[in-house]
Amino acid sequence: RKEVEQDPGPFNVPEGATVAFNCTYSNSASQSFFWYRQDCRKEPKLLMSVYSSGNEDGRFTAQLNRASQYISLLIRDSKLSDSATYLCVVYSSASKIIFGSGTRLSIRP
Amino acid sequence: DAMVIQNPRYQVTQFGKPVTLSCSQTLNHNVMYWYQQKSSQAPKLLFHYYDKDFNNEADTPDNFQSRRPNTSFCFLDIRSPGLGDAAMYLCATSRAGMQETQYFGPGTRLLVL
Repeated sequence: RKEVEQDPGPFNVPEGATVAFNCTYSNSASQSFFWYRQDCRKEPKLLMSVYSSGNEDGRFTAQLNRASQYISLLIRDSKLSDSATYLCVVYSSASKIIFGSGTRLSIRP
Repeated sequence: DAMVIQNPRYQVTQFGKPVTLSCSQTLNHNVMYWYQQKSSQAPKLLFHYYDKDFNNEADTPDNFQSRRPNTSFCFLDIRSPGLGDAAMYLCATSRAGMQETQYFGPGTRLLVL
């Protein structure tokens, strides 16, 4: 089992739709969680950190479920510009920093 | 203003010919990282520096070396590139540790002929 797993997608949704995807992690001692966005042939950029209580930034909501060991990302009112690969990143002091392989999202007009 | 700069953006080298990729940062961050990313795969951490302390990942081949002469600069040396080393190489920084946000440079795409 991979330490960090994501559904590779692609998720193909119409503009304006709500889309959500999860990321599971295997190390129960993981401490920090992030969602990064990576556009085609570009570098990853931080979308948002994921806090224990969940957090929201505009149309984006991130949740952490420690009991089931997953984090989630919800995108509301999706825009064409949201098309990208979303990378889940998990940090633990033991296994350090692990990137998921990413979930591809494609928003269609 | 660019905060993490990588040069060159594209590098073509020959099989077995040493190549050096460079990274500089204006953030004054303590930690610098080098990642290798192949198509449709996750970035794979090669090594990182916490200040001057070098930390090599266990599965990073000996063919890959790194230098950090000062806070701002970090280099990735590939001593004898093989065809399998063709990839995007990403440099990143974080302020004080891995548990914090990482800021990535635009990457250097390496092609090995």
